[in-house]
Amino acid sequence: KAGVTQTPRYLIKTRGQQVTLSCSPISGHRSVSWYQQTPGQGLQFLFEYFSETQRNKGNFPGRFSGRQFSNSRSEMNVSTLELGDSALYLCASQTQLASNTGELFFGEGSRLTVL
Amino acid sequence: QQQVKQSPQSLIVQKGGISIINCAYENTAFDYFPWYQQFPGKGPALLIAIRPDVSEKKEGRFTISFNKSAKQFSLHIMDSQPGDSATYFCAAGLTRLTFGTGTRLTIIP
Repeated sequence: KAGVTQTPRYLIKTRGQQVTLSCSPISGHRSVSWYQQTPGQGLQFLFEYFSETQRNKGNFPGRFSGRQFSNSRSEMNVSTLELGDSALYLCASQTQLASNTGELFFGEGSRLTVL
Repeated sequence: QQQVKQSPQSLIVQKGGISIINCAYENTAFDYFPWYQQFPGKGPALLIAIRPDVSEKKEGRFTISFNKSAKQFSLHIMDSQPGDSATYFCAAGLTRLTFGTGTRLTIIP
C-alpha cells in the first residue's frame, strides 16, 4: 500500500512569491491534515480537510490556505511568502475525521526555503 | 491552554541505558496522548499512544507513563539502541493533535 506522497520535496522561493504544495493521501483515507515543522517550534497544525471541506484550522494567517479534491488529494497554498515561512510542510492522512482517535500517517514533507 | 511542553530538547544516552522524555499539558479535556518518532528526511510515525484511563502502556522497549493529576506523561525507552536515535514528539489530542517541540535523542555506543 503506497504511503502519503508529497510533492515537490524541495523548493526555493523568494519573498512575495506564492507556492502550492500537493499531497496524495493513502488510498482510502479521507482526512488530510497539514502541519508546519520548524526547529524549536515542533509541528504546528495548519488545517484539516475531510470530504472536500475544511473541518479544523490552526492559528495561521489567511495567507495559508488549502483545499481538498473529490479523490481526497489535497493542496495547500501560501501567498506573499515571508522569510519566516521557511519550513518543512508535512501532510498527514487518516481514515476518518477526528484526528484524536486514530493514527496519523505522515508524508516525508515538502521543504520550503524562502530567500 | 492548547500547549504541550516537552523536555529535554536534546538527550544523549549510552547504549543499553534508559531514555526518558517528558511532556506536560494544560488542557484537561485532552483525551489521547501519542508519541511520534521521526528519522532525518522522513515524516513522523506513530510509536505508541495512551488514553487517560490508564496510567501506563508498554509496547516492547517503549513505555508511556501517564499522570492525570499532574497533567504529565512521559516516554521511557528501555535498553536504548543506536537505531533509536531520532527526534521524538509527544502530542495531545481532542479534535486535533497538539504536538510538543520535539526531543532529539542520540544513543552512543
